[in-house]
Amino acid sequence: ETGVTQTPRHLVMGMTNKKSLKCEQHLGHNAMYWYKQSAKKPLELMFVYSLEERVENNSVPSRFSPECPNSSHLFLHLHTLQPEDSALYLCASSQEGVAGVVNEQFFGPGTRLTVL
Amino acid sequence: SQQGEEDPQALSIQEGENATMNCSYKTSINNLQWYRQNSGRGLVHLILIRSNEREKHSGRLRVTLDTSKKSSSLLITASRAADTASYFCATDAVTSGSRLTFGEGTQLTVNP
Repeated sequence: ETGVTQTPRHLVMGMTNKKSLKCEQHLGHNAMYWYKQSAKKPLELMFVYSLEERVENNSVPSRFSPECPNSSHLFLHLHTLQPEDSALYLCASSQEGVAGVVNEQFFGPGTRLTVL
Repeated sequence: SQQGEEDPQALSIQEGENATMNCSYKTSINNLQWYRQNSGRGLVHLILIRSNEREKHSGRLRVTLDTSKKSSSLLITASRAADTASYFCATDAVTSGSRLTFGEGTQLTVNP
């Protein structure tokens, strides 16, 4: 148990569906992250929120839309996804250091997404 | 190529043996971190080593950092079957802003 929870753990959706992934951290951290992990590829950073403001948007297609309503919650809204978007989506949080230094990140268990 | 590349890609050893994994990177860093991932699960942070440190220990883990060679190694001593997992290095590059860059990982299998 890392203090970061994600729901749902598994999600199967069609290309025309709209769904949302939820992440919650119970660690009092000030930064939250969405990552995508596909088979045979390195972990890809999608979005970074620091103090509830988006500070990184790593050229992610607009069919992925993040939302950070407060420092403990992070959402990833999905719409009109493609089969190649099937992957493990991981949320993480950390306490951001001085001058943007990235400290250890605590990961949730992930959402296994399958797009049919 | 990718900042943070692990070597080897896969490693298979017997219980009780030591396992060494290496990581190379390309730019100046604030710190380098090692993570572990059991199949299909989230990553677990193992150890963080800052750019001004050369070696760190945590239990059966030993991490070294050579900033002149831009490389790091993770040593797991007296391995156990439960150490079977993927191990990733991640770098916090000086110019990267609020991000870590992960390598492709080393898949470690420890046979009982």
